[in-house]
Parts: sequence; C-alpha cells; structure tokens
Amino acid sequence: GAVVSQHPSRVICKSGTSVKIECRSLDFQATTMFWYRQFPKQSLMLMATSNEGSKATYEQGVEKDKFLINHASLTLSTLTVTSAHPEDSSFYICSARLGDNEQFFGPGTRLTVL
Amino acid sequence: GENVEQHPSTLSVQEGDSAVIKCTYSDSASNYFPWYKQELGKRPQLIIDIRSNVGEKKDQRIAVTLNKTAKHFSLHITETQPEDSAVYFCAANGPAGGYNKLIFGAGTRLAVHP
Repeated sequence: GAVVSQHPSRVICKSGTSVKIECRSLDFQATTMFWYRQFPKQSLMLMATSNEGSKATYEQGVEKDKFLINHASLTLSTLTVTSAHPEDSSFYICSARLGDNEQFFGPGTRLTVL
Repeated sequence: GENVEQHPSTLSVQEGDSAVIKCTYSDSASNYFPWYKQELGKRPQLIIDIRSNVGEKKDQRIAVTLNKTAKHFSLHITETQPEDSAVYFCAANGPAGGYNKLIFGAGTRLAVHP
C-alpha cells in the first residue's frame, strides 16, 4: 500500500518551454500532496503544499507564477514549470500524505533544461 | 519556523558495526519524526518514524530514540550490511497546525564497507 507514481521520470526540454509533471497516489486518496526540489547531494527542499480543491501554499522564495500547481482530484496533483530555464534543472519529487503525518514519495522527475 | 539539524554528514562503518545518526529540532510543538532512506537516483523511503508520545521505537535492526526535553532524536542501525549504504534523512513536522509539512535535515551519507 501507499504507492505514489510520478510521470515523466525524465524530461529534457529547451529553454523557454513549459513542462508538466504528474503525481498520483495509486492506492489511497490524498487530500494533501507536497512538491520538493532536490539538487545533487543535497536535501529535500519543500516548494509547495498542494491541497485538493484549493490553491497551493508556496514556501518563501518559490515563485507561484513559475511553478503552477493544480490538485484536481484526490489522487492527482500536477506541477508545471513555466518558461523553464537551465537553472530550473533539478530533481523534482512529490509526496502524498497518508493520515495525519506520513508522507510517501514518488520516484521523482529529473528535469534538464537546455 | 522549524529547523532540523543532522549529524554527521558522512558516516563510514565496517559491516556488522552499528551506525548512529543524530538530529535536533527547534519547534517544541513538533510531534512527528520520520526517517527516510534514499538510494542514489531513487525516491526517499520511509524506514521508521516516531511520535512524541513515545521515547523509543524499534523495527528489527533499526531503532529511533526521541528526547523531547532536549529536542533531539536519533537513528540507530545495528549489524550494518552493505545494502544499508545510502543517504538517510531525518525530518520533523511543523509548524504547529497547518498542513503538517515535513522539514528535512541535510542528510547523512552512510557507507558500509564489507
């Protein structure tokens, strides 16, 4: 149980394009999902909290117009990186909350912006 | 807000030895402390967690201890094996209320040598 999928696993795009990443909870419903960014050999940095049916809550310093989050159903949250630039290249990981606290992570998406 | 510090950043042990990783947190209202194991290029996996109403929890070779007064918690791995080699992250929930987001430590790179 508590399986989270993420798609795509890897994406390479040109600078200026937008990229959408999907996060799905496969065997449970998640009213709350989280989006993290992880640079090589670094920790998980929370970008935003995604809540089903309402606007996402962004962490300080994260541009909400650049990182669009939509949580359209209890099993799907999407992150769209708009007008991507090389500095946006990173490993993006989502998690879905089960119960009060437990978070289960997706496999991550490696974004490379040329 | 919550701040989590983790030590050491790297840890090298011989197979069969024990490994201990320590974390401190700043928000006294935090009540949930999970540990995640992340292998290279893969998702963080929840290996054990502890809540503030207990002082110790054990699952086979891994155990976690919590000292609420001192605001620190530790991961103990006994009889280490090469497959335990990975990066380990501690986390604490916070701030109080809200959506119970997790704040992660910087990670500990554990290497178990045969």
